Amino acid sequence: KQEVTQIPAALSVPEGENLVLNCSFTDSAIYNLQWFRQDPGKGLTSLLLIQSSQREQTSGRLNASLDKSSGRSTLYIAASQPGDSATYLCAVEGGSARQLTFGSGTQLTVLP
Amino acid sequence: KAGVTQTPRYLIKTRGQQVTLSCSPISGHRSVSWYQQTPGQGLQFLFEYFSETQRNKGNFPGRFSGRQFSNSRSEMNVSTLELGDSALYLCASSEGTGTVEQFFGPGTRLTVL
Repeated sequence: KQEVTQIPAALSVPEGENLVLNCSFTDSAIYNLQWFRQDPGKGLTSLLLIQSSQREQTSGRLNASLDKSSGRSTLYIAASQPGDSATYLCAVEGGSARQLTFGSGTQLTVLP
Repeated sequence: KAGVTQTPRYLIKTRGQQVTLSCSPISGHRSVSWYQQTPGQGLQFLFEYFSETQRNKGNFPGRFSGRQFSNSRSEMNVSTLELGDSALYLCASSEGTGTVEQFFGPGTRLTVL
């Protein structure tokens, strides 16, 4: 059974810092890995999708990497801003297609 | 393109009642998946529909059911509600073939009293 772990559970940084969020998964047989952002009481916003054959994806100040063999992914956020404050979730699609297994998230607070 | 829409956004029910939630996917998307989010269990997969057929099902009791219509809109039904069914119910849509990105709706907040 796939298990996804995210560390740390919570992170507080001053504005302008670069930061890294970590995600690990137990079964490397995945189709893809997706990073999401969730604001309180809201749905999920897709940030980046990395297919299993890819090593990384970039969008603006975000960069996500994937190391399937070690079962790890990182989300790098450059020059953090207060508007980045949210919970960040990683999810892997594997085994059964279109079934995402989620980590428990990292709650990020960026202080002005 | 309009995003994924879910109705209603909020629901309050009492134990023993049943409830139906609706999800309209992004235009052209044929796959709809449903997830339950609770503080204790996080996000858990309920089921996925593609072209009106259930393709995949998570580990939830039979009280949870769904269906998909020919226009790809999907409904989820929960019968005999329990207090533990209180959660944010999210649906996600995708093109449905290949490894593709999933897009989530704003969710329906269900409270069972």
